[in-house]
Amino acid sequence: DTEVTQTPKHLVMGMTNKKSLKCEQHMGHRAMYWYKQKAKKPPELMFVYSYEKLSINESVPSRFSPECPNSSLLNLHLHALQPEDSALYLCASSQVRGEQFFGPGTRLTVL
Amino acid sequence: TQLLEQSPQFLSIQEGENLTVYCNSSSVFSSLQWYRQEPGEGPVLLVTVVTGGEVKKLKRLTFQFGDARKDSSLHITAAQPGDTGLYLCAGGGADGLTFGKGTHLIIQP
Repeated sequence: DTEVTQTPKHLVMGMTNKKSLKCEQHMGHRAMYWYKQKAKKPPELMFVYSYEKLSINESVPSRFSPECPNSSLLNLHLHALQPEDSALYLCASSQVRGEQFFGPGTRLTVL
Repeated sequence: TQLLEQSPQFLSIQEGENLTVYCNSSSVFSSLQWYRQEPGEGPVLLVTVVTGGEVKKLKRLTFQFGDARKDSSLHITAAQPGDTGLYLCAGGGADGLTFGKGTHLIIQP
């Protein structure tokens, strides 16, 4: 299995909602990442997990809360988001010093 | 922070033409990756270059890593409409990738 899967594919939420994005990989990778991508821009790093521990938080607002329940799963919990948080959210995984493989992304719209 | 300058940002050419995309930095990278992304989808890894001066070929795509490992290029021969997409170079490693701004490529039939 060489895929990174993400659910849901699309998500529309209000500013008072709580929702979660999910990412899964079965490649035995021990590093997982969340990126945010706005239209016509490159992906921007949000969080890095290495061996299930949060190793990098790129000054992301606390309304985004990552969680790594095990080595195959990565979640991003969303609460009280703003319309400007609307974007494509990408998950990636890699061996700790290897190439990163991306999932298809979740298209998030905040109303 | 390691920055990657990618050029051109936009390129629209006719089917059958050749093109080159450049990725430059003032920093040395242990490796650089090239990705292709279609609208609404995640980036798909095309190639990783590791050794200075390395050249890798993927069908009509040729990737080169500079001798000093500060720059890379992507050359497409006889471009086809299916090559249309956003091409991204990226460097970094365990701390996450830094991306160039990308090249939006349109191949017109």
